[in-house]
Amino acid sequence: DAKTTQPNSMESNEEEPVHLPCNHSTISGTDYIHWYRQLPSQGPEYVIHGLTSNVNNRMASLAIAEDRKSSTLILHRATLRDAAVYYCILSGSARQLTFGSGTQLTVLP
Amino acid sequence: ETGVTQTPRHLVMGMTNKKSLKCEQHLGHNAMYWYKQSAKKPLELMFVYNFKEQTENNSVPSRFSPECPNSSHLFLHLHTLQPEDSALYLCASSQKDGRVANQPQHFGDGTRLSIL
Repeated sequence: DAKTTQPNSMESNEEEPVHLPCNHSTISGTDYIHWYRQLPSQGPEYVIHGLTSNVNNRMASLAIAEDRKSSTLILHRATLRDAAVYYCILSGSARQLTFGSGTQLTVLP
Repeated sequence: ETGVTQTPRHLVMGMTNKKSLKCEQHLGHNAMYWYKQSAKKPLELMFVYNFKEQTENNSVPSRFSPECPNSSHLFLHLHTLQPEDSALYLCASSQKDGRVANQPQHFGDGTRLSIL
């Protein structure tokens, strides 16, 4: 299965944009890139997913590199409620989501 | 309101007890999942059901027994558990199972299980 690499932790100031990186150099052509986040004491929450083109929704934007070996989740204006663990996951031939350790995002007031 | 409801939220049981975890989804999805999240470890997929049929069992010990009577309900029956089974058990659902790679999964908030 293709794997992803994320920083263990990141900090951001409230009301500023946040760019969360993810490397996936062994991604296959059929792998979708998914992002989930998990707030304390809650289950994971779907954020966004994409295949090749950049994607936007009400929660975030997903920027996918042209070679698809990396992607960036963009939170346009971080709030304290965005403090969570963010997971970058590939789904495709494995037929299931495999969660890694994710990035712990801390939002500073 | 996640659309996926898990009960109970917390459960404490002895190693010889038998209990069941319940998951219900109101999203009209056809696939349901059980995950285990232990402290400081990534989520581990346990079971997958698609249209009430089990399609994945990730080498889960037989002391965990899943049941999916219909596409909206999923149970995890527990018996003779070990202390290392203490964890957060999460249920999820999606429109179709993972064989369709672009299906988002919707998670419940989990059952925090403690084995004495």
